[in-house]
Amino acid sequence: GQNIDQPTEMTATEGAIVQINCTYQTSGFNGLFWYQQHAGEAPTFLSYNVLDGLEEKGRFSSFLSRSKGYSYLLLKELQMKDSASYLCAGSNSGYALNFGKGTSLLVTP
Amino acid sequence: KAGVTQTPRYLIKTRGQQVTLSCSPISGHRSVSWYQQTPGQGLQFLFEYFSETQRNKGNFPGRFSGRQFSNSRSEMNVSTLELGDSALYLCASSLELAGTGMNEQFFGPGTRLTVL
Repeated sequence: GQNIDQPTEMTATEGAIVQINCTYQTSGFNGLFWYQQHAGEAPTFLSYNVLDGLEEKGRFSSFLSRSKGYSYLLLKELQMKDSASYLCAGSNSGYALNFGKGTSLLVTP
Repeated sequence: KAGVTQTPRYLIKTRGQQVTLSCSPISGHRSVSWYQQTPGQGLQFLFEYFSETQRNKGNFPGRFSGRQFSNSRSEMNVSTLELGDSALYLCASSLELAGTGMNEQFFGPGTRLTVL
């Protein structure tokens, strides 16, 4: 499987841009997912990348470099409601997801 | 479409007991995965079922088991509960992303298990 590493905590200001990085081991790698989880709630799907490059979805974008085993999630025009945990997950050929421990993002006024 | 449902939402058990958790996937989804979430370890994969067969398994002891029925509903069972089994257990029903070999997973609200 993949060892997924991401920062434990980040803080950013409302209206700003924040980038959450994720690194993974490339053996058996198929693609990468990003999920958002608010406290006490289930994770919700944000985006996925299979090929190298940037995928944009409104205020959220995700980037993947397969050769470097690296991804990031970019959140633009931060809102208070974006305070949540952001989970990076690698998919191997067996359809299971291997999650990182999550990055807790705090958006301050 | 209704989302993934899990029952019960909260459960309190004592050490040594066993527990069964239930998950109903989104209509039409044939794959169901189970995860354990704890503050220290994050989300850890337990197992995945597809068409009533276990297709993938994580690194959990044999006390953790599951099954899937013909209507895709799934159950997981934990026997001889330990204090460390206290966690949020999440079920996810999956739809394959065409041509990718990957599933987009839709999570249920989870069952919060407390072992005393």
